[in-house]
Amino acid sequence: SQKIEQNSEALNIQEGKTATLTCNYTNYSPAYLQWYRQDPGRGPVFLLLIRENEKEKRKERLKVTFDTTLKQSLFHITASQPADSATYLCALGGSGTYKYIFGTGTRLKVLA
Amino acid sequence: DTAVSQTPKYLVTQMGNDKSIKCEQNLGHDTMYWYKQDSKKFLKIMFSYNNKELIINETVPNRFSPKSPDKAHLNLHINSLELGDSAVYFCASSQDLARDGELFFGEGSRLTVL
Repeated sequence: SQKIEQNSEALNIQEGKTATLTCNYTNYSPAYLQWYRQDPGRGPVFLLLIRENEKEKRKERLKVTFDTTLKQSLFHITASQPADSATYLCALGGSGTYKYIFGTGTRLKVLA
Repeated sequence: DTAVSQTPKYLVTQMGNDKSIKCEQNLGHDTMYWYKQDSKKFLKIMFSYNNKELIINETVPNRFSPKSPDKAHLNLHINSLELGDSAVYFCASSQDLARDGELFFGEGSRLTVL
């Protein structure tokens, strides 16, 4: 069955460093991959979308890569700040379906 | 002005009761969704409506019945509540069924079944 794995452990990094979060998937061929941010007690908020034919996407301090051979996406936050502390979810969408399947998320904590 | 709003934010009820959660979006979107997030933070789609038409109906017990009176509203009614129904329910919308569209989520409705 389809499976999406994100770092199950929380990720602690020092302010100013680059945070790298991973999203691995199996038994799936997504055409689209999205990243969302979720703060405690809030709904997920869209950050970036990358298509299967795109290797990399950037938005301000955020960068997403998508490797369909490795079945992996990496999400980078450069010059991280304590305000970046949140849970980050990846979501995969196939070309033949209207629904996105979400990973369980990685909790990021940026230490001041 | 809240884009996707859900009520109530918190719901505590006894097993066997029936409850409803309401959702409204003011973004002019065609497509709305219900997601369930369990205690392990796993976010799973339940239903999707496009212009009031049911598009996605995942393997969800018949006790869950969505209703879309118009494309700006999608309500969720749950009959005979069970302990396992305790979760946070998120409403979301997207502009249309385009597969590269972003989802706009509400703040969630935390349901606790005692």
